[in-house]
Amino acid sequence: GEDVEQSLFLSVREGDSSVINCTYTDSSSTYLYWYKQEPGAGLQLLTYIFSNMDMKQDQRLTVLLNKKDKHLSLRIADTQTGDSAIYFCAFPISGGYNKLIFGAGTRLAVHP
Amino acid sequence: KAGVTQTPRYLIKTRGQQVTLSCSPISGHRSVSWYQQTPGQGLQFLFEYFSETQRNKGNFPGRFSGRQFSNSRSEMNVSTLELGDSALYLCASSFNGPTNTGELFFGEGSRLTVL
Repeated sequence: GEDVEQSLFLSVREGDSSVINCTYTDSSSTYLYWYKQEPGAGLQLLTYIFSNMDMKQDQRLTVLLNKKDKHLSLRIADTQTGDSAIYFCAFPISGGYNKLIFGAGTRLAVHP
Repeated sequence: KAGVTQTPRYLIKTRGQQVTLSCSPISGHRSVSWYQQTPGQGLQFLFEYFSETQRNKGNFPGRFSGRQFSNSRSEMNVSTLELGDSALYLCASSFNGPTNTGELFFGEGSRLTVL
């Protein structure tokens, strides 16, 4: 079955770039997603990438997709303290749009 | 446009009791999904409803059930609560129209503590 792996922690200095990585075992889905969860809150969609794209840039966010290696990454440029949160990669299971499998989440800590 | 609203936000129950959680989706969204989030298991899919019909179901015991009403509002129920049911229960709604990108809009969750 499908599985998603993420590293659990990442610590960066304010102003540096953050790169959060995600590997998956199988995905035939059309879209792959990155969600952000701040303390005590629900999940917020940060960005998504269409499966026939290799890269998508959205302001400070860059998503890279390597389908051959089944690797998805999220780069946050000029990381700010407000970016401190948990970041989840996710993709639909069995082709269904609304049944997502999530990685365990990467906790990003931004320090001065 | 109002976001996804979940009630109650926090609740405490004891083992053996049952609980009902409510979710009001974004206006115009007909799909509602439920997820359980725990420190040990992470985010796990419970079920999804579309136009009052359950379309997808996760791997949870029958104690977990849900329904959707004609106005797209949804409820989930957990009976005979166990300590392991303590979790943040997240509801998400989706448009599911022809230009759908599959984006889920999440509520802030209902945090259930079972004592």
